[in-house]
Amino acid sequence: EVQLLESGGGLIHPGGSLRLSCAASGFSFSAYTMSWVRQTPGKGLEWVSYISGSGVTTNYAGSVKGRFTISRDNSKNTLYLQINSLRAEDTAVYYCARDPLTTGYFDFWGQGTLVTVSA
Amino acid sequence: SFELTQPPSVSVSPGQTATITCSGDALPKKYVYWYQHKPGQAPVLVIYKGSERPSGIPERFSGSNSGTTVTLTISGVQAEDEADYYCQSTDGSGIYDVIFGGGTKLSVL
Repeated sequence: EVQLLESGGGLIHPGGSLRLSCAASGFSFSAYTMSWVRQTPGKGLEWVSYISGSGVTTNYAGSVKGRFTISRDNSKNTLYLQINSLRAEDTAVYYCARDPLTTGYFDFWGQGTLVTVSA
Repeated sequence: SFELTQPPSVSVSPGQTATITCSGDALPKKYVYWYQHKPGQAPVLVIYKGSERPSGIPERFSGSNSGTTVTLTISGVQAEDEADYYCQSTDGSGIYDVIFGGGTKLSVL
């Protein structure tokens, strides 16, 4: 059974940093492109970042480019998102999601981890 | 980049048919995907490549395409179908640019 379990969220002050993790199980993790998607309070879903199965290729949404870094450790079946220079508008539930064909859609998602940026 | 536009809300009675639309100028050239999202839960893929249904998704969920508008249809709506529904596609302007519609709240009255 495919499982994705996010962790690392919490309350953080503006300008702070946080590292989110997503532990994967039930599939060959290194074979799959992975993404982070967030949902801000009262709003919809926003794709944040993606990383190829090897970890070589990444891309970011314009709103986070330069502040967020996606990475993965295939030996630990874990996806990461390092988020720096946090802003109030980064407050959201962050989901990790699996792309089955590297074509830009997601067949499995985690339950999400909440990041709250507040003074 | 292009945008995907969805109605904010749709309401139906149990047993009726719900139709949720997603509009975008580039859609005739794109695949569209649909997700169901209930509060506190992981989003669930219900339609991929416009009209394909993943394993385990009930047959009452279907997708169709008509030019610049794609439609998610839920036939014989059940109370458990109440959720937010998002359409999604790819921008194509970069290496990997995923875009979502604003979401539609389906209320089962």
